[in-house]
Amino acid sequence: EVQLVESGGGLVKPGGSLRISCAASGFTLSTYKMTWVRQAPGKGLEWVSSISISTTYIYYAKSVKGRFTISRDDAKNSLYLQMNSLRVEDTAVYYCARMTARGPHNWFDPWGQGTLVTVSS
Amino acid sequence: DIQMTQSPSSLSASVGDRVTITCRASQSISGYLNWYQQKPGKAPKLLIYAASSLQSGVPSRFSGSGSGTDFTLSISGLQPEDFATYYCQQSHSSPRTFGQGTKLEIK
Repeated sequence: EVQLVESGGGLVKPGGSLRISCAASGFTLSTYKMTWVRQAPGKGLEWVSSISISTTYIYYAKSVKGRFTISRDDAKNSLYLQMNSLRVEDTAVYYCARMTARGPHNWFDPWGQGTLVTVSS
Repeated sequence: DIQMTQSPSSLSASVGDRVTITCRASQSISGYLNWYQQKPGKAPKLLIYAASSLQSGVPSRFSGSGSGTDFTLSISGLQPEDFATYYCQQSHSSPRTFGQGTKLEIK
């Protein structure tokens, strides 16, 4: 079964740092692009960052560029998001998702269950 | 960035009804449009990819159409498990933007 499981969320003070992880199983992580999407409480979905195969290409949303770093360890079948200089507005459930492609089209599937990051003093 | 606008933001319907949700892109995205369903406390689930292709395992009462800037998600014969929030997402260019969501509620 293809599965993604996030971990590492928690409560952190403004200005603090946190690294969240996403463990993949049931497929070979090294052959897929991966992404992080977040959802603030009661709000919609916001794409955060994506990483290509072999880390060739990395993209960030403007709201997190310069503060967040996406990485992957294919040997450990894991995806990471290092979050620095956290702000109250970064409070959200963070989902990892696999970027599946067919021809020129791509989509996010499957998604993990999410991990909650709360930034508060 | 490409802006995605869904309408309506919320919708009330009854079991058995047919509903349509619209998604409009701020520029042409050809057929690079996906639809997701999200239930409270759960992760989003892919329903439709490439505007009209049904994801494996998704009931055939769900259908998608459109191209360019205007897209629709239709659900025929609403079932109790279909009451959820629906999001469109463009995969034409980065950043991959989502619509604001449409909450489908029981009337």
